[in-house]
Amino acid sequence: QSALTQPASVSGSPGQSITISCTGTRSDVGGYNFVSWFQQHSGRAPKFMIYDVSNRPSGVSNRFSGSKSGNTASLTISGLQAEDEADYYCSSYTSNSTLGIYVFGSGTKVTVL
Amino acid sequence: EVQLVQSGAEVKKPGESLKISCKASGYRFTSYWIGWVRQMPGKGLEWMGITYPGASDTRYSPSFQGQVTISADKSIDTAYLQWSSLKASDTAMYYCTRQHGDDYAPAHWGQGTRVTVSS
Repeated sequence: QSALTQPASVSGSPGQSITISCTGTRSDVGGYNFVSWFQQHSGRAPKFMIYDVSNRPSGVSNRFSGSKSGNTASLTISGLQAEDEADYYCSSYTSNSTLGIYVFGSGTKVTVL
Repeated sequence: EVQLVQSGAEVKKPGESLKISCKASGYRFTSYWIGWVRQMPGKGLEWMGITYPGASDTRYSPSFQGQVTISADKSIDTAYLQWSSLKASDTAMYYCTRQHGDDYAPAHWGQGTRVTVSS
């Protein structure tokens, strides 16, 4: 069982906006601004999309944005495109020693209708 | 450009040992944490652990502590993940990652090494 909880699936039509949630605790998401998001297309290595809650690495589309409120972080994809269909994972630093120092979310499958 | 090139796919039997590698380039190897992520077939990402080549500091997820060994050779800019006795449940894709910074986020990923353990 993953330390961070995400919805199993989210879907939307082309052009729409969707939001993926990532719920943790005060020991991880809620306690630090060290939330990241990753995109993984089938059969490919994950891609770094967001770091430190809301920052985009160079080359990542500004259609992807991140935010956080309390123990829940969110990834919003605006202007949904067919190429956005993939699995998305959140992650965070954690101070919970039983989990290590870094944890991933359970993953969300995004479907473009 | 940061590049992480992993060793090729492996097919092993239960009980055998294995060491897979990750050759880094495009940055100062001793200045960043480098680690490993497991992805079992059809499942999500699992953070295994990281090592800091510049200080020989290694940290593990409790789930993997004692099950694997993470190391690095700074003379050849290469990180390793090794098992002393493989189990069928070690069958997975393993990704080498270079961390972003003090947030430990895996910013750069290798292409993955598929490990299959079967009798």
